[in-house]
Amino acid sequence: AQSVSQHNHHVILSEAASLELGCNYSYGGTVNLFWYVQYPGQHLQLLLKYFSGDPLVKGIKGFEAEFIKSKFSFNLRKPSVQWSDTAEYFCAVNDNNAGNMLTFGGGTRLMVKP
Amino acid sequence: GAGVSQSPSNKVTEKGKDVELRCDPISGHTALYWYRQSLGQGLEFLIYFQGNSAPDKSGLPSDRFSAERTGGSVSTLTIQRTQQEDSAVYLCASSEDRGPEKLFFGSGTQLSVL
Repeated sequence: AQSVSQHNHHVILSEAASLELGCNYSYGGTVNLFWYVQYPGQHLQLLLKYFSGDPLVKGIKGFEAEFIKSKFSFNLRKPSVQWSDTAEYFCAVNDNNAGNMLTFGGGTRLMVKP
Repeated sequence: GAGVSQSPSNKVTEKGKDVELRCDPISGHTALYWYRQSLGQGLEFLIYFQGNSAPDKSGLPSDRFSAERTGGSVSTLTIQRTQQEDSAVYLCASSEDRGPEKLFFGSGTQLSVL
């Protein structure tokens, strides 16, 4: 079965610092990859996704993620974080053997200090 | 409606009682998903509906859990003889497509089993 690992459970940064959140998955075949974000008091929402093509994906609010197939990774990055990026971030993977199931990682809580 | 609606938002029950959780997806969305989020855990997939049928029930943790969807719209997740380990946030999501292209999440039902 597919598994998704987010090794950073809590991250605290100051504004303008650079961000990289790790995400690794276990399945070695064709995968679709996602990052979802949950801002305080709000619903989970899609931040960005990768299905095929350019492995560097741009999302909303200046976020990007890079799919590195050889490393089974899909790390999320932002060059300069803002206080409003404080949220919980979830990596998710859908693989072709699992139908429409989306497997989520454990999440990373990001706190940005103003 | 404008978004995915879940009710109740909070439910406190006694061990051994049955509970029903409701999800109203976005109008026109054919796919509907149930996830569970326990404290400090990621999102655990429970079940997926395409229309009224559930091609993937692989995530239901035990035979105490069941779900149905009627009219291609509202879904109900039922937990019989609740146990304390059932305490979690139960999230519903819907999407337009057959696959997890983009999921829209509800705000969840916080279930507490005493």
